[in-house]
Amino acid sequence: GAVVSQHPSWVICKSGTSVKIECRSLDFQATTMFWYRQFPKQSLMLMATSNEGSKATYEQGVEKDKFLINHASLTLSTLTVTSAHPEDSSFYICSASNRETYEQYFGPGTRLTVT
Amino acid sequence: TQLLEQSPQFLSIQEGENLTVYCNSSSVFSSLQWYRQEPGEGPVLLVTVVTGGEVKKLKRLTFQFGDARKDSSLHITAAQPGDTGLYLCAGKSSPANEKLTFGTGTRLTIIP
Repeated sequence: GAVVSQHPSWVICKSGTSVKIECRSLDFQATTMFWYRQFPKQSLMLMATSNEGSKATYEQGVEKDKFLINHASLTLSTLTVTSAHPEDSSFYICSASNRETYEQYFGPGTRLTVT
Repeated sequence: TQLLEQSPQFLSIQEGENLTVYCNSSSVFSSLQWYRQEPGEGPVLLVTVVTGGEVKKLKRLTFQFGDARKDSSLHITAAQPGDTGLYLCAGKSSPANEKLTFGTGTRLTIIP
């Protein structure tokens, strides 16, 4: 089956530092990956669409200079939270769209805590 | 902006009971998906419905897509503790648009 991994699964960082989260499609190629943010007891909120080889498309209200997205290959997208603050603490989930079937598969999520 | 409202927001019922979760919008979707998410994990796809009026069954779960493709429902028969989780509907505005709009979510707790 289609598997999407995220690394790390959880991370604690100090305020002002940057954190990189990786999203990998393990057994399929994904021209498009998506990054979501989920606050406790809430639904998923789309942050940005990551396209292989081109710039990411950010949703309204998401700061592109704060949440840097790189999609350098058909199996890897990264989200870097720059100059993290406690309000950036959240559960970040990626999904990858199979370039052949267009089905979207979700990663297990990364819990970020900024102290 | 397309919005998907789910109801109820929270539901806690006894094992063996039946329940229905609703997903409603004023917008038309080309397809709609249902996911279940457990704490600390990513959503897991349960089903995709594409045709207006379509009904799909997955064991004790029955999914229906509204005739106008603006709403959907999830019915669970004889709920079990393993059904506990956050249920999310998500829609695509068009087949060519891979972006998903997620519903507000329904947190279901089945009491043994």
